Amino acid sequence: EDKVVQSPLSLVVHEGDTVTLNCSYEVTNFRSLLWYKQEKKAPTFLFMLTSSGIEKKSGRLSSILDKKELSSILNITATQTGDSAIYLCAVDNSGYALNFGKGTSLLVTP
Amino acid sequence: NAGVTQTPKFQVLKTGQSMTLQCAQDMNHEYMSWYRQDPGMGLRLIHYSVGAGITDQGEVPNGYNVSRSTTEDFPLRLLSAAPSQTSVYFCASTSGGSYTGELFFGEGSRLTVL
Repeated sequence: EDKVVQSPLSLVVHEGDTVTLNCSYEVTNFRSLLWYKQEKKAPTFLFMLTSSGIEKKSGRLSSILDKKELSSILNITATQTGDSAIYLCAVDNSGYALNFGKGTSLLVTP
Repeated sequence: NAGVTQTPKFQVLKTGQSMTLQCAQDMNHEYMSWYRQDPGMGLRLIHYSVGAGITDQGEVPNGYNVSRSTTEDFPLRLLSAAPSQTSVYFCASTSGGSYTGELFFGEGSRLTVL
């Protein structure tokens, strides 16, 4: 059975802190790992990581894929209150739908 | 482009009633899917379609029915609503030809079954 496990499930930090969110997976036919941010409504795409692109960075957010350990981390530096959201990790092993983890709920306090 | 459009945004049903959640996309995407999201559970795949006329079950298909008669539309039918189907439902689409991993989501439909 395919599994995507995220940790921690929730996290509270102060503005300016750096956070690391974790995602591990056990799936057949791994194609890519994706990170999404979900605020009030639908998830919005952050990064996709594959065998040929194991590190991505955008502003204060960065992500690394460790194919040997079957895991990924999402780093957020200098957190802001606007970073408060649920962060979802998902794995694609089919090309048309995703297996999602339960998400990490991040709260950044002023 | 409107992207992925879901209707209705909110719905309250009584146990045993049936209804259809509508989903339409205008990006000519081949792949469409329905997810449900419950607190602390992430998104779980209900049904998906890889093209018009082709559908298949996901992780939690029981109590739901789908069809894909056109590329644009992928409605989700609740046959006889149960309180366990109280959830937020998301429709998503992606392109098969130039797949980047990014699913395009609708804004969600919040369903309450009493």
